[in-house]
Amino acid sequence: EDKVVQSPLSLVVHEGDTVTLNCSYEVTNFRSLLWYKQEKKAPTFLFMLTSSGIEKKSGRLSSILDKKELFSILNITATQTGDSTIYLCAVEPLRDMRFGAGTRLTVKP
Amino acid sequence: NAGVMQNPRHLVRRRGQEARLRCSPVKGHSHVYWYRQLPEEGLKFMVYLQKENIIDESGMPKERFSAEFPKEGPSILRIQQVVRGDSAAYFCASSLAGGMNTEAFFGQGTRLTVV
Repeated sequence: EDKVVQSPLSLVVHEGDTVTLNCSYEVTNFRSLLWYKQEKKAPTFLFMLTSSGIEKKSGRLSSILDKKELFSILNITATQTGDSTIYLCAVEPLRDMRFGAGTRLTVKP
Repeated sequence: NAGVMQNPRHLVRRRGQEARLRCSPVKGHSHVYWYRQLPEEGLKFMVYLQKENIIDESGMPKERFSAEFPKEGPSILRIQQVVRGDSAAYFCASSLAGGMNTEAFFGQGTRLTVV
């Protein structure tokens, strides 16, 4: 059975901290892994990863995929209170997309 | 260029009534996906549609739920005879293609409350 497991389920940090969110997966016919940020009510696309070892960056966020060990990490540096939300990881193309349960990040001032 | 539009944003139905959720994809997108988010849970896939076709409905309950994506107009997720357990946020996403490495855009969701 395909599985997507995110850890930790929740995380509390202080402003300025760096956080690392994890997503491990077991899926057949892996094609891509996607990270979303749940803003208010809808997930916002962050990154799509298909190749191992290539870091993708966007501002203070970055992500990398390890297809051998079957996981991805999402890093957020210099966290701000506005980063507080749920971060979702999903694998496979959209037809068979499986989401993880999400990591709830809380950034305290 | 409007993104994915879902309406209504909030929908309240009494038990036994029908709920109709609409999703207008990004202009030019012909692939639509519906997800359900229960409280404190992640998104769960329900159904994948291409214009006029259901490609994969493996995540959709066999009874009371149906989905369509007609040639013209929005995609509709229909829930008949709603029950309290149907209360959730329903998200729609669209993409240009359904194959590999396809970025999807999500709508704002419809929050269904069954009273």
